[in-house]
Amino acid sequence: NAGVTQTPKFRILKIGQSMTLQCTQDMNHNYMYWYRQDPGMGLKLIYYSVGAGITDKGEVPNGYNVSRSTTEDFPLRLELAAPSQTSVYFCASSYPPAGWGGYGYTFGSGTRLTVV
Amino acid sequence: TQLLEQSPQFLSIQEGENLTVYCNSSSVFSSLQWYRQEPGEGPVLLVTVVTGGEVKKLKRLTFQFGDARKDSSLHITAAQTGDTGLYLCAGAVRGATNKLIFGTGTLLAVQP
Repeated sequence: NAGVTQTPKFRILKIGQSMTLQCTQDMNHNYMYWYRQDPGMGLKLIYYSVGAGITDKGEVPNGYNVSRSTTEDFPLRLELAAPSQTSVYFCASSYPPAGWGGYGYTFGSGTRLTVV
Repeated sequence: TQLLEQSPQFLSIQEGENLTVYCNSSSVFSSLQWYRQEPGEGPVLLVTVVTGGEVKKLKRLTFQFGDARKDSSLHITAAQTGDTGLYLCAGAVRGATNKLIFGTGTLLAVQP
């Protein structure tokens, strides 16, 4: 039972490069999320999805794109990487929405991204 | 933008001591959760509180949701080195309950 799997675990990008952070879950959860965590800070929501084909912006969506073609996968795309995108990125899933009946997020172990 | 402020930001204590972490907001939450995060890992859910005034206990951890559902606290009794980690509160806002807003985090270090 893998839960939420994120790849890669670490990545160094040069300014202006692009990359895709992969996230897949095997729990058949409808809700999936991408957060970023800066040093000493909490998590900020980038994008989320309530089901296949449906995505919406969070607090800090600029510089990122997402797609949700299947229930299992929710990749995050960085276009034209900037130093401000240096962060740890977490993918999470839930069913039903977090907070209902005691359910919470299941998080992946994160991707540490450095843009130089 | 809703904010969840946690205090203190950092806490270093000796094993066996008690501590309380606070989570405050001006927004009303339909539910509030507490997570613990260890280095190199994602946060792990500890508890969910839903009703104003609710108190939940998880072994040596006691969680309380404020009567007005705007704040919460986490109390740890007789802290152990295994309690070390980043504690995050997270709230589901009414009308937007399909996503959580996370607090600023409290980094706890329990020294042997």
